[in-house]
Amino acid sequence: DTGVSQDPRHKITKRGQNVTFRCDPISEHNRLYWYRQTLGQGPEFLTYFQNEAQLEKSRLLSDRFSAERPKGSFSTLEIQRTEQGDSAMYLCASSGPFAAGANVLTFGAGSRLTVL
Amino acid sequence: DQQVKQNSPSLSVQEGRISILNCDYTNSMFDYFLWYKKYPAEGPTFLISISSIKDKNEDGRFTVFLNKSAKHLSLHIVPSQPGDSAVYFCAASALGNQFYFGTGTSLTVIP
Repeated sequence: DTGVSQDPRHKITKRGQNVTFRCDPISEHNRLYWYRQTLGQGPEFLTYFQNEAQLEKSRLLSDRFSAERPKGSFSTLEIQRTEQGDSAMYLCASSGPFAAGANVLTFGAGSRLTVL
Repeated sequence: DQQVKQNSPSLSVQEGRISILNCDYTNSMFDYFLWYKKYPAEGPTFLISISSIKDKNEDGRFTVFLNKSAKHLSLHIVPSQPGDSAVYFCAASALGNQFYFGTGTSLTVIP
């Protein structure tokens, strides 16, 4: 297993365009998380899935953002009509089934978005 | 609202000395705490964790202390090494759902 994979690593787009990021979690992990990180800040929660079900969404996730995890495997995060404020690092993480006091998020290397 | 806070943006220590990174939280429902290390252009890497039923967890040079009454945790690195230079994030969760992260502390270990 190669860990959590994210694609693309870098994306430069013009304002108003749509972008999509893909995340492939560790195969045996049933939980998948999306975070956003801007300069000088820690990762900010966007949403998470347990298997194919989207269990929680942050208010940061405006209606321009949509995330899917068909079949409970890989996930996509789409941003429509991008704005310059969307420029950030988008991090994906996965974890195994809930175990009290034992869950660890394993992060991918992230997808950096630059909106011109 | 920032439920996990790291009030020191940066810290410099001499190689071989102890590094102490601090973290405060506000939500008394948090039952699990983690520390992550991040190098530039990489995702955060898990370092060490502690459950709320414990007050100390040790793994080699890294020890995490939890003071529930003060809602405070700290990460001790001893001895510090130049390779420890990175940004450190603390994180907390309740029942393994959403994980909240602090803003990070940039550690520089001076050779």
